[in-house]
Amino acid sequence: GAVVSQHPSWVICKSGTSVKIECRSLDFQATTMFWYRQFPKQSLMLMATSNEGSKATYEQGVEKDKFLINHASLTLSTLTVTSAHPEDSSFYICSARDSRGTDTQYFGPGTRLTVL
Amino acid sequence: EDQVTQSPEALRLQEGESSSLNCSYTVSGLRGLFWYRQDPGKGPEFLFTLYSAGEEKEKERLKATLTKKESFLHITAPKPEDSATYLCAVHPTSGTYKYIFGTGTRLKVLA
Repeated sequence: GAVVSQHPSWVICKSGTSVKIECRSLDFQATTMFWYRQFPKQSLMLMATSNEGSKATYEQGVEKDKFLINHASLTLSTLTVTSAHPEDSSFYICSARDSRGTDTQYFGPGTRLTVL
Repeated sequence: EDQVTQSPEALRLQEGESSSLNCSYTVSGLRGLFWYRQDPGKGPEFLFTLYSAGEEKEKERLKATLTKKESFLHITAPKPEDSATYLCAVHPTSGTYKYIFGTGTRLKVLA
């Protein structure tokens, strides 16, 4: 159990376009999901906390208008990178909190975004 | 300030050479400590959750232990397939569900 999927696994887009990444908890409900960004050989950097049915909470320094987060159901959260630029190229990883007692975060496989 | 420090940053072992990875933490209160394994280009894979000092968890060649200040991930007789980055994360009693991550230990096991 506790499987989290992400789609797409990789995406290449042109500068100025928007890209949507989906994160799904497949076998459990997740009232809270998280979005991370990871640079090469570095640890995870939390971007925002996504709560089902309410607005996301962004970490300091993360642009809310650039990284739009929607958590419309207990199994789906989406991250939209708006007007993407080359500096947004990165590895984006989501996680879903299993609220069935352990509070463990289970991670998706990640999405590699390349902006040309 | 809540903080998590992992050591060493990188570790090279010969196959079969047992060792330990360290995760030191400073938090006002601990809800849980988590160990993950991350392979290049993939998301972290959950390994263990520890909640209180003295607790131990085992899975195959891995054993995680917890004290009031640190956690160890012991790797017994490692194999090349154990090569990965091992991440430690702490969930403090701060009222949110956010974790504090360490920077990880990059483990390379040579055949």
